[in-house]
Amino acid sequence: SQELEQSPQSLIVQEGKNLTINCTSSKTLYGLYWYKQKYGEGLIFLMMLQKGGEEKSHEKITAKLDEKKQQSSLHITASQPSHAGIYLCGAAESGTYKYIFGTGTRLKVLA
Amino acid sequence: EPEVTQTPSHQVTQMGQEVILRCVPISNHLYFYWYRQILGQKVEFLVSFYNNEISEKSEIFDDQFSVERPDGSNFTLKIRSTKLEDSAMYFCASRVGEEEYFGPGTRLTVT
Repeated sequence: SQELEQSPQSLIVQEGKNLTINCTSSKTLYGLYWYKQKYGEGLIFLMMLQKGGEEKSHEKITAKLDEKKQQSSLHITASQPSHAGIYLCGAAESGTYKYIFGTGTRLKVLA
Repeated sequence: EPEVTQTPSHQVTQMGQEVILRCVPISNHLYFYWYRQILGQKVEFLVSFYNNEISEKSEIFDDQFSVERPDGSNFTLKIRSTKLEDSAMYFCASRVGEEEYFGPGTRLTVT
């Protein structure tokens, strides 16, 4: 079965700093989703990447899917306390419509 | 801003009882999903639903689980005979195109 591994598991940064979260798949990705979750709440869709090399941005968050489509990175520029939360990557398991999720990265931004 | 709603926000039930979790997806969406998240663990896919039928389900979604879209707006998840290990947050989501919207979740506690 396919697995998504995220790193780091947790991150504490000073406000204004840049940071990167990685998501590595054990198999080729055919679509990779990034979500943000606040503790005890639902997931907020951030963006979806499909093509190898694709890069998308939303406000200060940029995500990229590598050429081989087995890894994605999420980059936050000039982090703010509002960026704090748990970032999850998700994907449809290869050849199916079953969705799997990464282990999550817990981000804390210090003001 | 469109939103997915879920009721109840918290349900406490005794082991062996039936529960129905309700979701109202976004009206023009075509794909609907149920996920669950046991406290401290990954988000897990349960089932996807398209065109009034199940399109995919996970190993978790056994005979104790069922889904329905009884009236074209609500989307329900029924657990026939709850077990202690069914205690989790249950999230409904609906999708159109690339974007997926999650509901705030129902916290199910089985005692």
